[in-house]
Amino acid sequence: TQLLEQSPQFLSIQEGENLTVYCNSSSVFSSLQWYRQEPGEGPVLLVTVVTGGEVKKLKRLTFQFGDARKDSSLHITAAQPGDTGLYLCAGIYGGSQGNLIFGKGTKLSVKP
Amino acid sequence: NAGVTQTPKFQVLKTGQSMTLQCAQDMNHNSMYWYRQDPGMGLRLIYYSASEGTTDKGEVPNGYNVSRLNKREFSLRLESAAPSQTSVYFCASSPGGPGDTQYFGPGTRLTVL
Repeated sequence: TQLLEQSPQFLSIQEGENLTVYCNSSSVFSSLQWYRQEPGEGPVLLVTVVTGGEVKKLKRLTFQFGDARKDSSLHITAAQPGDTGLYLCAGIYGGSQGNLIFGKGTKLSVKP
Repeated sequence: NAGVTQTPKFQVLKTGQSMTLQCAQDMNHNSMYWYRQDPGMGLRLIYYSASEGTTDKGEVPNGYNVSRLNKREFSLRLESAAPSQTSVYFCASSPGGPGDTQYFGPGTRLTVL
């Protein structure tokens, strides 16, 4: 059974702080996606990482895929209240036509 | 483009009642999905359709049926609702398989009493 563990489960920080959230598994994934979900809405894709060791930047967000393709991290620099939401990682195994599993998410709250 | 639309947005059922959740996408995507999201459990796949006329079970299919009516529409039916089916249901679509970007609808919040 494929499992994705996300940590921390909850994170409450002040505006301007930096943070890192993690997504870990004992399984190897073809690729890994990060989604953000705001209250009352569906998840929205932020990024897909495909190559082991890959780093992608999206403004203040930095995503890294582990060398062994079993883990990933999301780092936010100078967090803003607009970053508040549920961050979900999703691992794809079996190729792009394969299966997708979601982690349980990290709920981030950024206070002004 | 509306993207992925879901109806209804909210629903309350009594145990044993039936209902159908509707989902439509206007992006000409091949694949469509139904997920449920429960507190502390993340998103779990109920059913998946890779193309019109095909459906496959996901992680938690028991108690549900689906119909891929055409390329645009994918419905989820609860034949005899149970309190354990209280959840938020999301429909999603993607151009190709699950590894492609999935586009989610706004969700249906279902309560079964």
